[in-house]
Amino acid sequence: GAVVSQHPSWVICKSGTSVKIECRSLDFQATTMFWYRQFPKQSLMLMATSNEGSKATYEQGVEKDKFLINHASLTLSTLTVTSAHPEDSSFYICSARTLGGEQRFSYEQYFGPGTRLTVT
Amino acid sequence: AQKITQTQPGMFVQEKEAVTLDCTYDTSDQSYGLFWYKQPSSGEMIFLIYQGSYDEQNATEGRYSLNFQKARKSANLVISASQLGDSAMYFCAMREMNTGFQKLVFGTGTRLLVSP
Repeated sequence: GAVVSQHPSWVICKSGTSVKIECRSLDFQATTMFWYRQFPKQSLMLMATSNEGSKATYEQGVEKDKFLINHASLTLSTLTVTSAHPEDSSFYICSARTLGGEQRFSYEQYFGPGTRLTVT
Repeated sequence: AQKITQTQPGMFVQEKEAVTLDCTYDTSDQSYGLFWYKQPSSGEMIFLIYQGSYDEQNATEGRYSLNFQKARKSANLVISASQLGDSAMYFCAMREMNTGFQKLVFGTGTRLLVSP
C-alpha cells in the first residue's frame, strides 16, 4: 500500500521557538495533503488542506500565521508551528491523497504515523 | 452540527466475542463515503473498512463488517471474533464527495477494550 512518512516522530521545543514537521508520500504523488491535530483522548481535528503549488486552506479557528503549511512538491508538505507555546503541544498527523478517476470513491487517503510535539 | 456521532466513549468485549461500534452521520450530500479507522496507542491511523453511499452491499474486510443503514444514516462497525490486539481507539469518518477537497471528518471515537 501507499506509504506516508512524517519527520520527526517526536519533538520537544522551548516556548517561543518554531518547529517544522515534514510529511512525505514515499511511493505516490500526493495532489492533496491534510494536516490534523489530535489532543490527548480526543478526535482528529482537521487544521488545513493543501494542494501542491497553491496556498493552504485553513479550517475555521486555525491561525494561518501560526501554522504555516507549504506543499512545495507532489511528495512533500511541511507544517511549521511558529512561536510555539505549551498549548500547541499535541499530536500532529498528516494525510496524503491522490485523485484518480475510478478511485474517486475509494479509500485512497493515507495517513502518516504522526508527530508528537511537546512545548516546554 | 456534528457530522459524525459516536455515542459510545468506551466498549468492553471478551475475547472471541463480536462487538458493534456505533456511528451515525449527517449529510445532505448524495455522494459520500464512510470510513472506519483504528488507532492503537502508538497513534498511527489504520484504515479498516470503507462504504460508499451508492454501495448496495455492506462492506466486509476479514473480521470487520460495516452495517450500513442509509435511511437511518448509520454505519456501525462490527468486529467478529475479537482479539486482544483489537484493543484501541476506533474512529468513524465521512467524506462528502461534493464539498471542496472532499475532506475527511472524524467522529469522537470509541475506545474498545478486549479482555481475555
